[in-house]
Amino acid sequence: DAMVIQNPRYQVTQFGKPVTLSCSQTLNHNVMYWYQQKSSQAPKLLFHYYDKDFNNEADTPDNFQSRRPNTSFCFLDIRSPGLGDAAMYLCATSRDLGTGAEGYTFGSGTRLTVV
Amino acid sequence: AQTVTQSQPEMSVQEAETVTLSCTYDTSESDYYLFWYKQPPSRQMILVIRQEAYKQQNATENRFSVNFQKAAKSFSLKISDSQLGDAAMYFCAYRGYNFNKFYFGSGTKLNVKP
Repeated sequence: DAMVIQNPRYQVTQFGKPVTLSCSQTLNHNVMYWYQQKSSQAPKLLFHYYDKDFNNEADTPDNFQSRRPNTSFCFLDIRSPGLGDAAMYLCATSRDLGTGAEGYTFGSGTRLTVV
Repeated sequence: AQTVTQSQPEMSVQEAETVTLSCTYDTSESDYYLFWYKQPPSRQMILVIRQEAYKQQNATENRFSVNFQKAAKSFSLKISDSQLGDAAMYFCAYRGYNFNKFYFGSGTKLNVKP
């Protein structure tokens, strides 16, 4: 089945130690998104890629970076994780931008713990 | 900026009963889309139902239906004949007409009691 896969499901990292989260998709969607979801809060968009075009949200900290080496893969890099970065990170895809009533397809998320 | 508000952090319903989850939103746009997503524990978020703002008729998907009140900017989800598998976090989401950025509410945790 076509899907969005996030690895790993759970990630523990040390304070200040760089960490990379992975997302892959078999849907051949043009757009990939990264959301941060803290406990009891709404998912917050960090950035998205439309094909190879990177779009950063204005309030996304510089500590967060992303790479999309090809259509299928997208990575979230946290350069120096702080305790406040502990959260669930959701990857999502969509076929295109502004494509009618189409929603996202989500991965299962990666829960990041910072110790 | 658009905001989405879910005022019920947690709700409970008896199996086979009906429950309504509330959602309000704020926007200056006239055309947009509204969604309800379900996030079971430790599983991916999946689309439950969607509504186009230009459609007056309320969307329905099997046991799930919405009450869309455009003037009041209200978009509630009704779950009929609740099942144990309906237990999850439910997120209301808004998307503008020309862009795919979603604005999510903070979620409502639904418990279903046997």
